[in-house]
Amino acid sequence: QSVLTQPPSASGTPGQRVTISCSGSTSNIGSDTVNWYQQLPGTAPKLLIYDNNQRPSGVPDRFSGSKSGTSASLAISGLQSEDEADYYCATWDGSLNSFVFGAGTKVTVL
Amino acid sequence: EVQLVESGGGLVQPGGSLRLTCAASGFTLSRYWMTWVRQAPGKGLEWVANIKGDGSEKYYVDSVKGRFAISRDNAKNSLSLQMNSLRAEDTALYYCARGVITDSWGQGTLVTVSS
Repeated sequence: QSVLTQPPSASGTPGQRVTISCSGSTSNIGSDTVNWYQQLPGTAPKLLIYDNNQRPSGVPDRFSGSKSGTSASLAISGLQSEDEADYYCATWDGSLNSFVFGAGTKVTVL
Repeated sequence: EVQLVESGGGLVQPGGSLRLTCAASGFTLSRYWMTWVRQAPGKGLEWVANIKGDGSEKYYVDSVKGRFAISRDNAKNSLSLQMNSLRAEDTALYYCARGVITDSWGQGTLVTVSS
């Protein structure tokens, strides 16, 4: 049971905008920055967003992150078939003294 | 190009030990925290441990404290995870990743704990 809550699934048609939420508490999201990872089927995770809203080099600007209080969200605009993947939020938890991941959200492109 | 290559996984009986290694290249290892993350079959990601660039700070998830030990040899561009008293629930694909934000990942090495 993760301390970060994500919806198990999300879906959209090509071109649509999809948003994934990540809810935490004052000991994690409320006190540190949030990262997002994309895991395509059968591959290693890839850093998608760091420091709440920063994209590593090479990540399309269709992906954006935001944070407010104890919640964060990842938005995928202009959804494409290659965006079908699992998405995880993560941050440091000061109470647990460990890094924590959300349980992941599976995005399906209809 | 950053490369991380894990090795050392395999089948081990409950209570046994394994040592995982991550060979790093393409960057100066000593400048980065390094992290181990695992993923049980069909499950999500779980952070396991991380270690500061000079090895002076180490953190572990509660479930492995006292059983696992993370270490590094910057001169050999290598990160290790010594896993003792292994349990069935430690069965997973183990990834090493660069940095606290884990901006680069290896392909993982599979650890199976079973009798």
